[in-house]
Amino acid sequence: AQTVTQSQPEMSVQEAETVTLSCTYDTSENNYYLFWYKQPPSRQMILVIRQEAYKQQNATENRFSVNFQKAAKSFSLKISDSQLGDTAMYFCAFMTTYQAGTALIFGKGTTLSVSS
Amino acid sequence: GAGVSQSPRYKVAKRGQDVALRCDPISGHVSLFWYQQALGQGPEFLTYFQNEAQLDKSGLPSDRFFAERPEGSVSTLKIQRTQQEDSAVYLCASSSGQGYNSPLHFGNGTRLTVT
Repeated sequence: AQTVTQSQPEMSVQEAETVTLSCTYDTSENNYYLFWYKQPPSRQMILVIRQEAYKQQNATENRFSVNFQKAAKSFSLKISDSQLGDTAMYFCAFMTTYQAGTALIFGKGTTLSVSS
Repeated sequence: GAGVSQSPRYKVAKRGQDVALRCDPISGHVSLFWYQQALGQGPEFLTYFQNEAQLDKSGLPSDRFFAERPEGSVSTLKIQRTQQEDSAVYLCASSSGQGYNSPLHFGNGTRLTVT
């Protein structure tokens, strides 16, 4: 079974600084997607960034980038130039394909607090 | 609407009551998922629909949980004889297809509190 582990329950960072959130996963599959979602107090899950496992190049979306280490099964998120609006819970997620369709498997999340 | 809509936003039920949670996916989206998110935890998969067919219900925690999507659009998650451990946020998500290239769009969830 696939599992996703986020070992940092809480992180804090000052505005304009850089922070890295860690994520490891376990799977026997070779093709899969990895995601980082942001969940603010509004509760809506917002996709931050995604990575295809077959791509060696790390995905980047503006201030957000990932460090994908397939052999180590590691998928960390780096947030550069942190902003107050980045304060939220961040979830790492793994997407597997199975017979019926696809479903996301989430980690337990990291609460990020950005302060001024 | 442009996004996934869930109602009610909050629901308080007394233990033993039945509840029904509604999800309106994005129009035309084939796939629909329900997730349960306990306080301070990540969402956990409950069930999956492709159009009106419930193709996976392996995540439903007990036979008190039932989901339907009779016309392939709106879905209802029903919980019978609610228990305190059912207290959680229930998230619905939809996507236009299945597979890696169909990102999930989430609603704002329904927070269920069982007293």
